[in-house]
Amino acid sequence: RKEVEQDPGPFNVPEGATVAFNCTYSNSASQSFFWYRQDCRKEPKLLMSVYSSGNEDGRFTAQLNRASQYISLLIRDSKLSDSATYLCVVNVPDRGSTLGRLYFGRGTQLTVWP
Amino acid sequence: EADIYQTPRYLVIGTGKKITLECSQTMGHDKMYWYQQDPGMELHLIHYSYGVNSTEKGDLSSESTVSRIRTEHFPLTLESARPSHTSQYLCASSEWTAPAVSEAFFGQGTRLTVV
Repeated sequence: RKEVEQDPGPFNVPEGATVAFNCTYSNSASQSFFWYRQDCRKEPKLLMSVYSSGNEDGRFTAQLNRASQYISLLIRDSKLSDSATYLCVVNVPDRGSTLGRLYFGRGTQLTVWP
Repeated sequence: EADIYQTPRYLVIGTGKKITLECSQTMGHDKMYWYQQDPGMELHLIHYSYGVNSTEKGDLSSESTVSRIRTEHFPLTLESARPSHTSQYLCASSEWTAPAVSEAFFGQGTRLTVV
């Protein structure tokens, strides 16, 4: 079973639409959660961290549900420039260590059309 | 902007050659990672390091090797390149602040083509 599971999409939405991505993780001891954005043939870049209380950054809202072990990303009023792949990232503790490592989901592809 | 650098950005090399992909970060991060990614596909972790003299194999078996002699430097070496090694290689680093790890910062990647 993968540590992080994401629906690969693709999601094709018109400008102005609201779109939601979900991601599930398998290790309940996971401590840190992030959403990354990756443009075609570029490196991934941090979009936002995900906090237990939920957090918002402009049109983007991230939520964490520890009980169900899933993370969500909501994009409101989609723009053409939002077209990218969105990666869910979870820090999973290593066995026998307090240190963890980051696991990336396979990414969800979003295309926003005019 | 993240202070993590990869060189070269693009490399075309013949089969059988030895290559080293360089990765350096100036943020003082202990944790560093190497990922391999084919176009349109997911990231695969091939190596990571918790700090100096620490190296671990990732999820995807790789014929490459890594070293971590200095905190800021995490080079990846292929002793004998093959066409199957053609891919993009991404280096990343992150901070450790107990009990969690910070976000990872990525270099711009090295696009390797073995002919």
